[in-house]
Amino acid sequence: DAKTTQPPSMDCAEGRAANLPCNHSTISGNEYVYWYRQIHSQGPQYIIHGLKNNETNEMASLIITEDRKSSTLILPHATLRDTAVYYCIAGYNTDKLIFGTGTRLQVFP
Amino acid sequence: NAGVTQTPKFQVLKTGQSMTLQCAQDMNHNSMYWYRQDPGMGLRLIYYSASEGTTDKGEVPNGYNVSRLNKREFSLRLESAAPSQTSVYFCASSELSGFAEAFFGQGTRLTVV
Repeated sequence: DAKTTQPPSMDCAEGRAANLPCNHSTISGNEYVYWYRQIHSQGPQYIIHGLKNNETNEMASLIITEDRKSSTLILPHATLRDTAVYYCIAGYNTDKLIFGTGTRLQVFP
Repeated sequence: NAGVTQTPKFQVLKTGQSMTLQCAQDMNHNSMYWYRQDPGMGLRLIYYSASEGTTDKGEVPNGYNVSRLNKREFSLRLESAAPSQTSVYFCASSELSGFAEAFFGQGTRLTVV
């Protein structure tokens, strides 16, 4: 599975868009990009995933560059409840998700 | 729906003791996983089961055994607990393939003294 690189921490003002970057320069053609988040010490929560095309759901948008070497998770209107650790994962389906240390997003009032 | 249920939620063991962590899911998922998370770290895969009757090692399998009892249940056993196994353990489940969403339990916080 491809290794991902994320900034260790980011801040975002409440109501603003939070843009979380992820580098996955060694990703192979059939590996997906997944995003999960972990609030406090709860179990991780699935957010979104994509292969080549940009994706959007009720939680977030995922923008994948054309060469697939990086992606950005966008939370369009961040709230205090979005404060969490966000994990970017590249891999095949779900048989072996490899979590890194993620980005700790702090949303402030 | 309960989703993924882990028991117990908290446990303190003495070095050398054994115990089994239980996990059950009610979503009819084929795949199940056990992860550990040490303080300030990401999750590391211990074992996974792609389908009933199969299990495979993950990144950190040493010191653990697993049993996929049936489609619903996937247990993790520590035969002789060590302080290095102090961690939070998460169980997860997902569809076998072509579907990315994994559902996680709330974790078991294990301390080995």
